[in-house]
Amino acid sequence: AQSVTQPDIHITVSEGASLELRCNYSYGATPYLFWYVQSPGQGLQLLLKYFSGDTLVQGIKGFEAEFKRSQSSFNLRKPSVHWSDAAEYFCAVVPGTGNQFYFGTGTSLTVIP
Amino acid sequence: NAGVTQTPKFRVLKTGQSMTLLCAQDMNHEYMYWYRQDPGMGLRLIHYSVGEGTTAKGEVPDGYNVSRLKKQNFLLGLESAAPSQTSVYFCASTQQGAPGQPQHFGDGTRLSIL
Repeated sequence: AQSVTQPDIHITVSEGASLELRCNYSYGATPYLFWYVQSPGQGLQLLLKYFSGDTLVQGIKGFEAEFKRSQSSFNLRKPSVHWSDAAEYFCAVVPGTGNQFYFGTGTSLTVIP
Repeated sequence: NAGVTQTPKFRVLKTGQSMTLLCAQDMNHEYMYWYRQDPGMGLRLIHYSVGEGTTAKGEVPDGYNVSRLKKQNFLLGLESAAPSQTSVYFCASTQQGAPGQPQHFGDGTRLSIL
């Protein structure tokens, strides 16, 4: 079955520390890949997306993500986390055809001072 | 530019009551979606529409109906609300065209069924 997996339900990091959020998918062909962030009481905001080409993509708020085909992964990273980064993060996948999004279950990020 | 607007933002219903959630977008997007978000389950697609007058079922369509009479609006209806439909509902829209266009989300409707 097709799926998107975010293995970490909750992560806590110290402000200024580096961050990596994991995302794995199981689709036959290379899909379109996205990371969204959701602040409390808000909708989802697009952080970055990967369609093709360079496997390291840059997004807003200092985030980046790397697509690794061999590992079917699209992990999100940030070198130095700020307290305002505390939020819920969702990985999403669109299979090679169509426009239907499949979301992971999310990773909740807590940032401690 | 408002983007995607959902009304209402909050609502409490009694079991068996009906209601309609409204989603409006001003980006001239062809595709619109309704999701529900529940703790630990991410976002699950309820129904979606690829254009005015068209609708299709998503992953969890039971108990919901939708209509897309105007391109800019996508309505989600609950005919007989059940406690299992307590959730946060999100509407999203995206451009037609190449696959993988990013979705733009509203701020959500928090719905409680007593």
